[in-house]
Amino acid sequence: ELQLLESGGGLVRPGGSLRLSCAASGFTFSTYAMNWVRLTPGKGLEWVSVISGSGVRTFYADSVKGRFSVSRDNSKNIMYLQMNNLRADDTAIYYCAKSITVTSHFDFWGRGTLVTVSS
Amino acid sequence: SYELTQPLSVSVALGQTATITCGGNNIGSRNVHWYQKKPDQAPVLVIYRDYNRPSGIPERFSGSNSGNTATLTISRAQAGDEADFYCQVWDNNTYVFGSGTKVTVL
Repeated sequence: ELQLLESGGGLVRPGGSLRLSCAASGFTFSTYAMNWVRLTPGKGLEWVSVISGSGVRTFYADSVKGRFSVSRDNSKNIMYLQMNNLRADDTAIYYCAKSITVTSHFDFWGRGTLVTVSS
Repeated sequence: SYELTQPLSVSVALGQTATITCGGNNIGSRNVHWYQKKPDQAPVLVIYRDYNRPSGIPERFSGSNSGNTATLTISRAQAGDEADFYCQVWDNNTYVFGSGTKVTVL
């Protein structure tokens, strides 16, 4: 059975850092690209980042470029999102989602982890 | 940056047809995907590459894409179809989502 389980969310102060994890099971992790997408009440779904199956290619939304970094450990079937210099507008539920390639649709999503940036 | 425009809300009577549009400049030349998002649930892919349905998605969900508008159609709407729907495209090394449409079944 396919599973994507996000963890690492929580409350953090503006300017702080947080690392999210996405643990995958039920498929050959290394052959799929993986994405981070966030959901905010005011802005809806916003794509954050994608990493190719090998980890060589990564892309970011302009809103997080230079502050967030995506990586993966294919030996552990885990993807990470290192979030630095967090701002209030980064507050959201963060989802991981798998896609066949870096440019294709997201065919399965996790249930998300909540990140709250507040003083 | 590329922008996708969706209506804020769409209402449909039970058993009737709902049409959700996604507007973008020459969107017909791109692959459009659609997601359904219900409260406290993970988003679900309902249409990919304009008109393809993933396994497990009812035939009541269909899609089309031409010119400057992509469309998601829900036929014979059911109460369980109430959700937010988002369109998505890939553009210039980023994914773009539409602003989302809330579908209400009356």
